[in-house]
Amino acid sequence: DAGVTQSPTHLIKTRGQQVTLRCSPISGHKSVSWYQQVLGQGPQFIFQYYEKEERGRGNFPDRFSARQFPNYSSELNVNALLLGDSALYLCASSLEWGGAEAFFGQGTRLTVV
Amino acid sequence: GESVGLHLPTLSVQEGDNSIINCAYSNSASDYFIWYKQESGKGPQFIIDIRSNMDKRQGQRVTVLLNKTVKHLSLQIAATQPGDSAVYFCAEISTPTNTDKLIFGTGTRLQVFP
Repeated sequence: DAGVTQSPTHLIKTRGQQVTLRCSPISGHKSVSWYQQVLGQGPQFIFQYYEKEERGRGNFPDRFSARQFPNYSSELNVNALLLGDSALYLCASSLEWGGAEAFFGQGTRLTVV
Repeated sequence: GESVGLHLPTLSVQEGDNSIINCAYSNSASDYFIWYKQESGKGPQFIIDIRSNMDKRQGQRVTVLLNKTVKHLSLQIAATQPGDSAVYFCAEISTPTNTDKLIFGTGTRLQVFP
C-alpha cells in the first residue's frame, strides 16, 4: 500500500512568489493535516482538514491557505513568500478525526531565495 | 540526505546499550502522547503512543513512561541499534479541545556508535 505522498519533494521559489504543495493521503484516510518544520525544530501545526472541512488552524498568517478535495487529497498554498517560509512542509493523514494515529509523508523542502 | 536538526540535544550511546530519551510536555489537558522517529530526509514515523490513563506502555524494544504529575514523558529503547540513529520527537494532543493538532517537542538526536 502506498503511504502518504507529497509533491514536489524539493522546490525553490523567489520572495513574493506563490507556491502550491500537494498531498495524497493513505487510501481510506479522511483527515489531512499540514505541518511546517523549520530546520532544528519540531513540526508546527498549520491546518487540519477532515471530510473537506477545516477542523483546525495553527498560528500562521493568512498567506497560508489549504483545501481538501472530494478524493481527500489536499493542497497547501502559500502566497507572497518570505525567506522565513523556507522549511520542510509535512502532510499527515489519519483514518478518522479524534486522536487517530497520524502517518506522515516525506515532506516538501521549500527554499525561498 | 538533509539534516533534520542541527542544534538539537544529542544522546550518544553505544550499540547494544539501552537509550532513554526524555520530554517535558506543556499542556496539563493533553491526554494523548506519541513518540515519533525522524530520519534524515524523511517525515516523522510513529513509534509508540500512550493515553493519559496509563503510565507505561511497551512495544517491541521500546517502552514509553508517562508521569502526569511533572508532565514528563520518556522513551526507552532496549539494545539500541545503528538503525535507531535519528531525531526523536514527543508530541501531545489535547482531545478535549476537539482538535487533532499535534504539539511537538524540540526533539533529541540519538547517535549510536559501534
